[in-house]
Amino acid sequence: EVQLVQSGAEVKKAGASLRISCKGSGYSFGSYWISWVRQMPGKGLEWMGRIDPKDSYTNYSPSFEGHVSISADKSINTAYLQWTSLKASDTAMYYCTRLNILTGYDFPLFWMDVWGQGTTVTVSS
Amino acid sequence: SYDLTQPLSVSVALGQTATITCEGDNIRNKNVYWFQQRPGQAPVLVIYRDSHRPSGIPERFSGSNSGNTATLTIGRVQAGDEADYYCQVWDSNTGVFGAGTKVTVV
Repeated sequence: EVQLVQSGAEVKKAGASLRISCKGSGYSFGSYWISWVRQMPGKGLEWMGRIDPKDSYTNYSPSFEGHVSISADKSINTAYLQWTSLKASDTAMYYCTRLNILTGYDFPLFWMDVWGQGTTVTVSS
Repeated sequence: SYDLTQPLSVSVALGQTATITCEGDNIRNKNVYWFQQRPGQAPVLVIYRDSHRPSGIPERFSGSNSGNTATLTIGRVQAGDEADYYCQVWDSNTGVFGAGTKVTVV
């Protein structure tokens, strides 16, 4: 079974650093990109960025560029989302997703076909 | 940036058909994806590339995309279909979600 299992809930103070993880299983981890999605309390989904675990190439949504960093360690089938200085406004649920890929077109087609269970991050000021 | 507009809510009677729209400029030129999010759960992909259903998604779920509007249709609505539904596209290598539509089954 294809699965993404995320690390547990975090409670931090503003200014702290944090790294949450997403471990893939049941498929060839290096063959699929991973993306991260934020959902603030009571709000909708926001795409943050994605990474190719093969070579750690990343691209970010302009809304999140410079505020978070995405990394991956393909040797342990794990992707990460990291903050160096949390803010209260980072309080949210964070999901990792696998990006399925279809090539053979002018450019690859990606879609988020498998989602992790989510990691709740609570930041107090 | 590219904007997607969804109705805030849709109400549908049990057993009837729910139609959820997603509007965007010339959205017909993009591939549209639909996600279902039940309360307290992670989102689930229900339609990819406008009209394809992942394995395990009932045939009651269908999608279309034309002009400036993509549509998710849920036939023979069941109580378990009550959820938030999000459309999504890619624009300049960035994922863009609609604000979501809450489907209520009455």
